[in-house]
Amino acid sequence: SSELTQDPAVSVALGQTVRITCQGDSLGSYYASWYQQKPGQAPVLVNYGKNNRPSGIPDRFSGSSSGNTASLTITGAQAEDEADYYCNSRDRSGSHLVFGGGTKLTVL
Amino acid sequence: QVQLQESGPGLVKSSETLSLTCTVSGGSMSSYYWSWIRQPPGKGLEWIGYIYYSGTTSYNPSLKSRVTITVDTSKNQFSVNLSSVTAADTAVYFCARVPYSSLNGFYYYYMDVWGKGTTVTVSS
Repeated sequence: SSELTQDPAVSVALGQTVRITCQGDSLGSYYASWYQQKPGQAPVLVNYGKNNRPSGIPDRFSGSSSGNTASLTITGAQAEDEADYYCNSRDRSGSHLVFGGGTKLTVL
Repeated sequence: QVQLQESGPGLVKSSETLSLTCTVSGGSMSSYYWSWIRQPPGKGLEWIGYIYYSGTTSYNPSLKSRVTITVDTSKNQFSVNLSSVTAADTAVYFCARVPYSSLNGFYYYYMDVWGKGTTVTVSS
């Protein structure tokens, strides 16, 4: 099992707000990064550090952190946001990177 | 605009060594880490390891005994070798660029450019 824990599946009604969480001891010391992956495609970075968005990522994607939990919030979810989402950060040792198990987001 | 492209055999025999190369175009390898990630069919992402442009490496502890990542900045390429493969190593393999930054004294890393991925099947 991963050192970063994510809920396997989350659903949200179209236009509503959803929070995807990532828990792990290392998150008290390191920021997480978040990736969106659609079927058959490579992951895409959507948020990193203290709530930074790469160019081209809509501002409805925001990141936050509290204690040992990092969160990705989608405010006003769109149909195209339906995808798998993965968090990534350092592990407890700080020497390696690790991914969470992923969260499948369904937009209803 | 930086682009990454994975290349290598799509079929590897069990117990042999898997070798893949990632070619970086449109930018320099300097001042970045460069990573390999894989995804078995129907499963999540697994970090394999990364290499700094100067050659410093870090590997996933679960793969450390079998994996080697190297870099050739003159060719703008980095590579991964995974030895003694089994069916469990069947996966899509991605390469990615890893910038790093710091805030409040803590470094953080993220993968901002990814290759499209290449499928590797281990056959018996």
